[in-house]
Amino acid sequence: EAGVTQSPTHLIKTRGQQVTLRCSPISGHTSVYWYQQALGLGLQFLLWYDEGEERNRGNFPPRFSGRQFPNYSSELNVNALELEDSALYLCASSLYNEQFFGPGTRLTVL
Amino acid sequence: SQQGEEDPQALSIQEGENATMNCSYKTSINNLQWYRQNSGRGLVHLILIRSNEREKHSGRLRVTLDTSKKSSSLLITASRAADTASYFCATGDREYGNKLVFGAGTILRVKS
Repeated sequence: EAGVTQSPTHLIKTRGQQVTLRCSPISGHTSVYWYQQALGLGLQFLLWYDEGEERNRGNFPPRFSGRQFPNYSSELNVNALELEDSALYLCASSLYNEQFFGPGTRLTVL
Repeated sequence: SQQGEEDPQALSIQEGENATMNCSYKTSINNLQWYRQNSGRGLVHLILIRSNEREKHSGRLRVTLDTSKKSSSLLITASRAADTASYFCATGDREYGNKLVFGAGTILRVKS
């Protein structure tokens, strides 16, 4: 069974640009979660999507947004990139309580 | 903000020894999960223990949960060099929208 996949693996952007990260959940999983792992800040919850709806969001500004598609894949969009957005962005999917993570997208903002 | 704290922050042991990592959290929980992360990549789910469980085993892993003390421990027996990684505990509660709240992690180094 294929795990959670994320693309791209690495990304380099400059301040002010916009970026879109993609996530495909494990087949059969309806929930997708996004987390940010920034140096020194640990793993922080960003967004939770379930059945196409945003169910909860963490303490992040509105320039972090996303969506979930009918096939349960998801996108995370970050507008007006700032230097501190440099981080590993992790996507996870779940059917019940266990969340299974993808390999992450490492975003570097210069 | 971090829900919990792992202890110790870093642990270095010899191959074959046991490694114990502790996690404390602050609020009531529905479950607690342990994850492993190798070299800043994705998280690997190790084990989930529910709030009404006290101990759970999976291979060389043993997890305990003490809800009265709001703490959990992860024991890795007969450690191997491949166990070298960062280990995180994460608490989940449906009241918080199913999000996981992670501790800061323990960096484990197993020397061969």
